[in-house]
Amino acid sequence: KAGVTQTPRYLIKTRGQQVTLSCSPISGHRSVSWYQQTPGQGLQFLFEYFSETQRNKGNFPGRFSGRQFSNSRSEMNVSTLELGDSALYLCASSLTGEETQYFGPGTRLLVL
Amino acid sequence: GDSVTQMEGPVTLSEEAFLTINCTYTATGYPSLFWYVQYPGEGLQLLLKATKADDKGSNKGFEATYRKETTSFHLEKGSVQVSDSAVYFCALSERGAQKLVFGQGTRLTINP
Repeated sequence: KAGVTQTPRYLIKTRGQQVTLSCSPISGHRSVSWYQQTPGQGLQFLFEYFSETQRNKGNFPGRFSGRQFSNSRSEMNVSTLELGDSALYLCASSLTGEETQYFGPGTRLLVL
Repeated sequence: GDSVTQMEGPVTLSEEAFLTINCTYTATGYPSLFWYVQYPGEGLQLLLKATKADDKGSNKGFEATYRKETTSFHLEKGSVQVSDSAVYFCALSERGAQKLVFGQGTRLTINP
C-alpha cells in the first residue's frame, strides 16, 4: 500500500506571497493532520481534518488554513508569507478511530 | 496542556554500544505514547508505540515501556549500529484529539 505523499517536495517563495501544499493520505485513511517543523520550535500541530471537516486546530494565525476533499486528500494554504514560515511541513494520516499517525516526506518551504 | 520532555542531545555513541534516550510526559489523561525516527531529508517514521500502562513497544531491536508511575517512555537498544544515526522524537497522542505532541527530538550519531 502506498504511503502518504506530499507535493511539492520543495518550494521557494518570497515574503507576501501565498502557497498551497498538497497531501494524499494512505488509502482508506480519512483523518489527515498537518504539522510544522522548525529548528527553533520543533514539531507543532497545525490542524486535523476528518470527512472534510476541521476537527482540531493548533495555535497558529489565521494565515494558515486548510481543507479536505471528499477523497480525503488535503491541502493547506499559507497566505501573506513571512520569513518565519520557512519550515518543513509534514502531513500525516490515520485510520478512523486509530491514534497512530503515518507521515509523509514533507514539503520544505523556504521564504525569501 | 500536555507536554513531552526528551533528554538533551546530541548523543554520540560507538557501534554496538547500549542506547538510552529518556522521555517523560505530562498529560491530564492516559495518552498513547510513540517513538518516531527521522532520517536526514525525510519525514517521520513510526518506530514503536504503547497504548496503556506497562505496555512494551518494540521494533528493530528498539524497546520502550509505558511507565505510568514515573510518566516515562524511555527508548532503549542493546547494540546500536551506524544505520541508527538519526533524530528520535518521543510523542504522545492527546486522547480524542487526533493530535500528537512531540518532544524536542534527540539527534543520535553512531560512530563505527
